[in-house]
Amino acid sequence: AQSVTQLDSQVPVFEEAPVELRCNYSSSVSVYLFWYVQYPNQGLQLLLKYLSGSTLVESINGFEAEFNKSQTSFHLRKPSVHISDTAEYFCAVSQPHGSSNTGKLIFGQGTTLQVKP
Amino acid sequence: DAGITQSPRHKVTETGTPVTLRCHQTENHRYMYWYRQDPGHGLRLIHYSYGVKDTDKGEVSDGYSVSRSKTEDFLLTLESATSSQTSVYFCAISERGTEAFFGQGTRLTVV
Repeated sequence: AQSVTQLDSQVPVFEEAPVELRCNYSSSVSVYLFWYVQYPNQGLQLLLKYLSGSTLVESINGFEAEFNKSQTSFHLRKPSVHISDTAEYFCAVSQPHGSSNTGKLIFGQGTTLQVKP
Repeated sequence: DAGITQSPRHKVTETGTPVTLRCHQTENHRYMYWYRQDPGHGLRLIHYSYGVKDTDKGEVSDGYSVSRSKTEDFLLTLESATSSQTSVYFCAISERGTEAFFGQGTRLTVV
């Protein structure tokens, strides 16, 4: 069975510092990988995704994540964070089935990123 | 934002009463999902649908049922609410079973 582990439940960081949120998954087959962000009292927003192709994926607001198959990881990074990046971040995985994808997501427990001035 | 509306947004109900949550989409996406979010557990899949009248169980389906009579609506029913079902419930949709888009959530409290 697939599982996702987010190694840090909370990550405090100062504004303009770099940050890495770690995500490891367990799966014996190919996977799709996602990072979602949740601001307080809101739903989840898709931040970035890996479906195939380049192992480095980027979001429009400066985040990036790299799919590392050998280490079964999909860590999220940003070189310089802003106060507005304070939120909870979820890593998720699903299993592709060609034309029969179901899109069922397995989520990690979440990491709270707290950006301090 | 994806056209997903969840109703109600907040609900307080008593133990043993039936509760129905509604998810409505305007995107004509094939797949719809219900997840629950609890501290320390992330989100967990309750049920999902891959077409009208086609549904299947997720990881935490006990005590829940779903129905999808139209492409745009996916209903989640708690037949007899229990305190362990106090949670935040999220509906999600997906066009091809790849990335999913989430609604704003329903906060349900069972007293």
